[in-house]
Amino acid sequence: DAKTTQPTSMDCAEGRAANLPCNHSTISGNEYVYWYRQIHSQGPQYIIHGLKNNETNEMASLIITEDRKSSTLILPHATLRDTAVYYCIVRGSYNTDKLIFGTGTRLQVFP
Amino acid sequence: NAGVTQTPKFQVLKTGQSMTLQCAQDMNHEYMSWYRQDPGMGLRLIHYSVGAGITDQGEVPNGYNVSRSTTEDFPLRLLSAAPSQTSVYFCASTPGAGGGRPGELFFGEGSRLTVL
Repeated sequence: DAKTTQPTSMDCAEGRAANLPCNHSTISGNEYVYWYRQIHSQGPQYIIHGLKNNETNEMASLIITEDRKSSTLILPHATLRDTAVYYCIVRGSYNTDKLIFGTGTRLQVFP
Repeated sequence: NAGVTQTPKFQVLKTGQSMTLQCAQDMNHEYMSWYRQDPGMGLRLIHYSVGAGITDQGEVPNGYNVSRSTTEDFPLRLLSAAPSQTSVYFCASTPGAGGGRPGELFFGEGSRLTVL
C-alpha cells in the first residue's frame, strides 16, 4: 500500500474554503485516493474518493494532480462542524483491498 | 437498518482476563474489519474478513482472534488482556463487489476498553 503524507494540523476560518493537502508520491496506477474524517471520537466517515479525475459531491471536492502524486480535499465553505481529523488513504481497486489509516490532519475551524 | 452495532460500548478488564467485543451489521455486507485507535493516533487495522468463513490479519493482529461464522457477525476476542490493549476499538463493514461505493466503510460507534 502506498503511504501518504499529510500536515499534522491546519486552521480555517468559518465560511472560508478549507484546502487539505496530501502527498502520495508512490501511488500506483490502479490505486484510488480516499478521504475520510473523524469527528471527535466517533467512527470515521467516508467523504469522497477518486482515481485521476477531479471529483465533487455534496460534502467536498477532490483535486488530484495530473501525475497523481498529490491531491487536495476542498471543503468549500467550512463550518464549525467540519472540525475533525481528516485522513487521506490510498487503496487498491478491489473491494477486498484494505484501508490503512495514517495519522491524518487535524482541521480546526474557528469562528 | 441499525447499521454496524458494537457491544459493549465500555469495558474495564484486569490483566490476563479474556473477553469478546461483539460486532454485528444488518446491511448484508461481505467485508468486515476491526481497527484500534490509541489516544492521539490514527486507526490501525487488526483483522479483517472478506466473507463468512474467511479472515486475515491486518497491521496489528497479535493478541487478538477473530472468526466469521455468519455474514452478520464478526466478534473480536482478546485471549489474555494486557494494558497495551487499552484502546478504542472500531468495527467496520463494506459491501462486496458490485454493491455501493467501493472502499466506503461504515463504522460502529466504538468500544472503549481499559485494561488495568
